[in-house]
Amino acid sequence: ILNVEQSPQSLHVQEGDSTNFTCSFPSSNFYALHWYRWETAKSPEALFVMTLNGDEKKKGRISATLNTKEGYSYLYIKGSQPEDSATYLCAPILTGGGNKLTFGTGTQLKVEL
Amino acid sequence: DGGITQSPKYLFRKEGQNVTLSCEQNLNHDAMYWYRQDPGQGLRLIYYSQIVNDFQKGDIAEGYSVSREKKESFPLTVTSAQKNPTAFYLCASSIRTGGDPIYTFGSGTRLTVV
Repeated sequence: ILNVEQSPQSLHVQEGDSTNFTCSFPSSNFYALHWYRWETAKSPEALFVMTLNGDEKKKGRISATLNTKEGYSYLYIKGSQPEDSATYLCAPILTGGGNKLTFGTGTQLKVEL
Repeated sequence: DGGITQSPKYLFRKEGQNVTLSCEQNLNHDAMYWYRQDPGQGLRLIYYSQIVNDFQKGDIAEGYSVSREKKESFPLTVTSAQKNPTAFYLCASSIRTGGDPIYTFGSGTRLTVV
């Protein structure tokens, strides 16, 4: 079973704060890394698909970086808003793994007014 | 609108009974997946199917069974052999269109066994 770790497990920030989370995964046989945003009672929403070492992607106030050699990815949220409150999941895909996503435990973000 | 439908949203069953969770997609996706989530844990893969009439065990397949008779449907049966069936179950599908696979998720079924 692929070991994917996310930290912190949960995070409470104030509106306007910037924050970041970490996703760690085995670096061997890496193919791609997915980031998802999952709000309670909704379906997970795709944020980013990252494949290249050194990749940096941005979507509004959210950005992510990827280091495939050391096996980690960072997700950054600039100027957090209450609507950013959700669980953020990362999921690497390995080569030869049949496109299966293996999820980390997620980081639960709560943005307070 | 295309998407994945999981039904029902909440399901209650008595211990010892088999129960089947429904997952239907109208996205024409080839692959479908079942995940389980327990409190404090990530989504764990139960079974997946890459084409019709074929499926593979995931990391926690014991006590579960699936079928893939149609492209659109991938039902999951939680059998009485599953020791801790109470959990949140999430279905997904994916398609690969030359680049990275695109995944779509259902909204899940929460199963409670009493």
